Amino acid sequence: AIRMTQSPSSLSASTGDRVTITCRASQGISSYLAWYQQKPGKAPKLLIYAASTLQSGVPSRFSGSGSGTDFTLTISCLQSEDFATYYCQQYYSYLLTFGPGTKVDIK
Amino acid sequence: EVQLVESGGGLVQPGGSLRLSCAASGFTFSSYEMNWVRQAPGKGLEWVSYISSSGSTIYYADSVKGRFTISRDNAKNSLYLQMNSLRAEDTAVYYCARVVLGGEGYFDYWGQGTLVTVSS
Repeated sequence: AIRMTQSPSSLSASTGDRVTITCRASQGISSYLAWYQQKPGKAPKLLIYAASTLQSGVPSRFSGSGSGTDFTLTISCLQSEDFATYYCQQYYSYLLTFGPGTKVDIK
Repeated sequence: EVQLVESGGGLVQPGGSLRLSCAASGFTFSSYEMNWVRQAPGKGLEWVSYISSSGSTIYYADSVKGRFTISRDNAKNSLYLQMNSLRAEDTAVYYCARVVLGGEGYFDYWGQGTLVTVSS
């Protein structure tokens, strides 16, 4: 199975900050990568697919980049509603795998 | 409006069985591939199982292979997960998730989840 790692595991930031989260795959996955946001007690929400394509309705302050094994999720100007946990997921092959998550909380 | 509503969770003893259901509405269920994803308390997301739109292709995570069975009834717009030989490590919130149309393996809609607790 393809192993996904994320860094950092958690970060503290303030509203207005620029935040970058990194996701790495144990083998090349082309651009078959999605990002999700999850708030406590809620289901995950799709933010980005194909590594860099914004899901409909997601604010443009979210962006994704990368291909192969290294990917990033950037929030350009953190808003209060963005404090959450973020997961990457590869869909290059079944078994599907998620990263361990990055928790973004308030500094 | 797309809706996925899971049910069937609860408390079960180790070695026991449980059947989860996911009722779909607001879209043509028979056209979409579906999955189960779980999340242990305080932990990350773990993919559990996949089923194609027709039900002809199925995959399982190694952690549940041989114990869990995914199925669907397109006439009833429903997805199922039969869980046997349950273990403490199966304790989690179980989500059903819809694969985006076209078969790319990411999920555009999720249910609210149903909690399964395996404990004596």
